[in-house]
Amino acid sequence: QKEVEQNSGPLSVPEGAIASLNCTYSDRGSQSFFWYRQYSGKSPELIMFIYSNGDKEDGRFTAQLNKASQYVSLLIRDSQPSDSATYLCAVNFGNEKLTFGTGTRLTIIP
Amino acid sequence: NAGVTQTPKFQVLKTGQSMTLQCAQDMNHNSMYWYRQDPGMGLRLIYYSASEGTTDKGEVPNGYNVSRLNKREFSLRLESAAPSQTSVYFCASMIGTGLDEKLFFGSGTQLSVL
Repeated sequence: QKEVEQNSGPLSVPEGAIASLNCTYSDRGSQSFFWYRQYSGKSPELIMFIYSNGDKEDGRFTAQLNKASQYVSLLIRDSQPSDSATYLCAVNFGNEKLTFGTGTRLTIIP
Repeated sequence: NAGVTQTPKFQVLKTGQSMTLQCAQDMNHNSMYWYRQDPGMGLRLIYYSASEGTTDKGEVPNGYNVSRLNKREFSLRLESAAPSQTSVYFCASMIGTGLDEKLFFGSGTQLSVL
């Protein structure tokens, strides 16, 4: 069974620090990886996607992918209280759908 | 541009009642999905439709049926609701896997089965 694993947290980070969120997946052949942010009571929204090994940066967000280790991470620099949310990792295992992890709850402490 | 629209936003059912959750997207996406989200369980796929005219089971299909009415609409039906189906349901769509795999979500339906 294809699986996506995340630490459920909660992860507490001081405002202005770097938040590091991690995700592992079970199938080395996976091609597409996504990070969604979900505020309490709201629907998930896409914040980052990455297809190739290495880093991808978008503003304060950096996605890192290591296919050999089956590991994808999300770094949030200069963390703000508005970054407090649950972050969902999702992987396309090549079967027409995304499989989600259980999410990591992030709290930014002012 | 509304994106993905789900109705209703809230629903309370008694055990054994039936209902249909409606979903429509106006982004001309090929693929549509129904997920449920329970505390500590993440998003679990119920059914999906990779294109108009096709539907397939996801991870947790038991107790549900779907209809891809046309390219825009994908409905989820509970024929005989059970308390275990109390959850938040999300409809989502994407252009298509292998093309642009960004998934866009509706605002969700909070369903309680008593």
